[in-house]
Amino acid sequence: GNSVTQMEGPVTLSEEAFLTINCTYTATGYPSLFWYVQYPGEGLQLLLKATKADDKGSNKGFEATYRKETTSFHLEKGSVQVSDSAVYFCALSVWAENNDMRFGAGTRLTVKP
Amino acid sequence: DAGVTQSPTHLIKTRGQQVTLRCSPKSGHDTVSWYQQALGQGPQFIFQYYEEEERQRGNFPDRFSGHQFPNYSSELNVNALLLGDSALYLCASSLLGQGVGNEQFFGPGTRLTVL
Repeated sequence: GNSVTQMEGPVTLSEEAFLTINCTYTATGYPSLFWYVQYPGEGLQLLLKATKADDKGSNKGFEATYRKETTSFHLEKGSVQVSDSAVYFCALSVWAENNDMRFGAGTRLTVKP
Repeated sequence: DAGVTQSPTHLIKTRGQQVTLRCSPKSGHDTVSWYQQALGQGPQFIFQYYEEEERQRGNFPDRFSGHQFPNYSSELNVNALLLGDSALYLCASSLLGQGVGNEQFFGPGTRLTVL
């Protein structure tokens, strides 16, 4: 079946540090890959996505590259801010197959000033 | 554009009771999916509605049922509540015909507590 495994954390960084959150996937078809962010007390917001191999999604300084050879979609940011503190979820969907989203367990990021 | 809205925000029920949660999708969207997010975990897919029918379903018992109305809004019903049903219930809307990379837009969720 389709599934996502992500680094569980929690992750604590100082402001301006480099961030990497690992995500690997298993899929029977050709998945699209997503990173969602959840701020305290809120729903999920799409951060970035990639729909085919070697695509790079980017938004707000965050980046992730769809690596088919390693079945990975790691999230990176060069310099985190306190406002980036949130829970980050890696997810996939296989549109032609079922269209529902499969999420990882989430990684809580805390950025300290 | 109001985005995806859900009601109520919070709900407290006791074991054995029944609950109905409501969702209005983002304007222009025709598909509604429901997810259960237990504390500290990722969302788990419950089911998806399109054209007023359940299009697919995750690994949830029949106590979980739903409905989609002609205006695309949706309800999630849970019968015979168990303590383990306590969670944040998220509604997400999308446009089925969008194709590959079909993004789902999430509402703020309904926090259900079962005592």
